[in-house]
Amino acid sequence: EVQLVESGGGLVQPGGSLRLSCAASGFTFSSYAMTWVRQAPGKGLEWVSGISGSGDNTFHADSVKGRFTTSRDNSKNTLYLQMNSLRAEDTAVYYCAKDRDRGLSLNFDYWGQGTLVTVSS
Amino acid sequence: EIVMTQSPATLSVSPGERATLSCRVSQSVSSNLAWYQQKPGQAPRLLIYDASTRATGIPARFSGSGSGTEFTLTISSLQSEDFAVYYCQQYNNWPPLTFGGGTNVEIK
Repeated sequence: EVQLVESGGGLVQPGGSLRLSCAASGFTFSSYAMTWVRQAPGKGLEWVSGISGSGDNTFHADSVKGRFTTSRDNSKNTLYLQMNSLRAEDTAVYYCAKDRDRGLSLNFDYWGQGTLVTVSS
Repeated sequence: EIVMTQSPATLSVSPGERATLSCRVSQSVSSNLAWYQQKPGQAPRLLIYDASTRATGIPARFSGSGSGTEFTLTISSLQSEDFAVYYCQQYNNWPPLTFGGGTNVEIK
């Protein structure tokens, strides 16, 4: 059974940093691209970043480029999102999600339960 | 960046009725469009990909159609568990991947 479990969320002050983790199980982690999607309270879905199965290629939304870094450790079956210079508008539930296809489908068939990041003083 | 516009924002439907949701895209995405369902407090669930292919385990009452810039998600006979928010997502021109603003399907 595929499982994705996010952790690392919490309350952080503006300008602070946080690292989110997504522990994966139930599939060959290194064979699939992964993505981070966030959802501000009461709002819609916003794509944040994506990473190839090997980790060689990463992509970020303009809203987080230069502040967030996406990485993965395939030996630990874990995806990461390093978030620096956090702003109030980064407050959201952050989901990790698995690409549906090994060949990079860019649609996502399994999602974690989400972890809440709150940026506030 | 491709802009996705979903309509209506809220759709009030009685159980057993048909629901038709629209997603319009600012430029052609061919058939590279997915639909997701999200219930309160839950993660999104993939329903449809490639505009019309049902994801694994999705009931046949869900169907997707369209290509280019206009897409439709149809739920043929609404069940109680189908009341939720639905999002479309394009993956033709990226980054960024983009989502629509969502349609809330509520009980009439």
